[in-house]
Amino acid sequence: AQSVTQPDIHITVSEGASLELRCNYSYGATPYLFWYVQSPGQGLQLLLKYFSGDTLVQGIKGFEAEFKRSQSSFNLRKPSVHWSDAAEYFCAVGAGTSYGKLTFGQGTILTVHP
Amino acid sequence: KAGVTQTPRYLIKTRGQQVTLSCSPISGHRSVSWYQQTPGQGLQFLFEYFSETQRNKGNFPGRFSGRQFSNSRSEMNVSTLELGDSALYLCASSLDIWGEQYFGPGTRLTVT
Repeated sequence: AQSVTQPDIHITVSEGASLELRCNYSYGATPYLFWYVQSPGQGLQLLLKYFSGDTLVQGIKGFEAEFKRSQSSFNLRKPSVHWSDAAEYFCAVGAGTSYGKLTFGQGTILTVHP
Repeated sequence: KAGVTQTPRYLIKTRGQQVTLSCSPISGHRSVSWYQQTPGQGLQFLFEYFSETQRNKGNFPGRFSGRQFSNSRSEMNVSTLELGDSALYLCASSLDIWGEQYFGPGTRLTVT
């Protein structure tokens, strides 16, 4: 069975600083990987996804993520964080039979200081 | 285009009661998935439906059930509610089983 680990429960950065959120996965076959963001009281919004091909994927809101098979990682990055990026971020892996059954990590809460 | 709609948004029930939650997918989407979100367990997969057929089911007791109608709308039912069922229940829809999922705002269920 697949699993996802987000080692950092809470990260604090200053506005304008760079950001990297870590995600490690465990899955026997080629993974389908996703990053979602959740603001308080809201549902989840897809930031980006990796299915195959180029290991560096670009998403919305200036985010990008890099798939590293050798490290079983899919870390999320942003070069300059904005106060509006404060939210909870979830990494997820999809099962091989569909993308409709996602396994999520525990989430990383991002706080942005002005 | 309207997003995923979930009703009701908030619900308070008593232990032992049952509850039905509704999800209306984005127009044209045929796949619907349900997730439970709690502070302790995080986001856990409940069900996945496509064209009225359950394709996947998560590791939840039989008290949790769901269905999908011909118009792709979906409902989930929880019988004999327990305090631990208090959670945010999220519904997501996609065009098909390989489409990216769009999440609704969720239904906040509180069991007292």
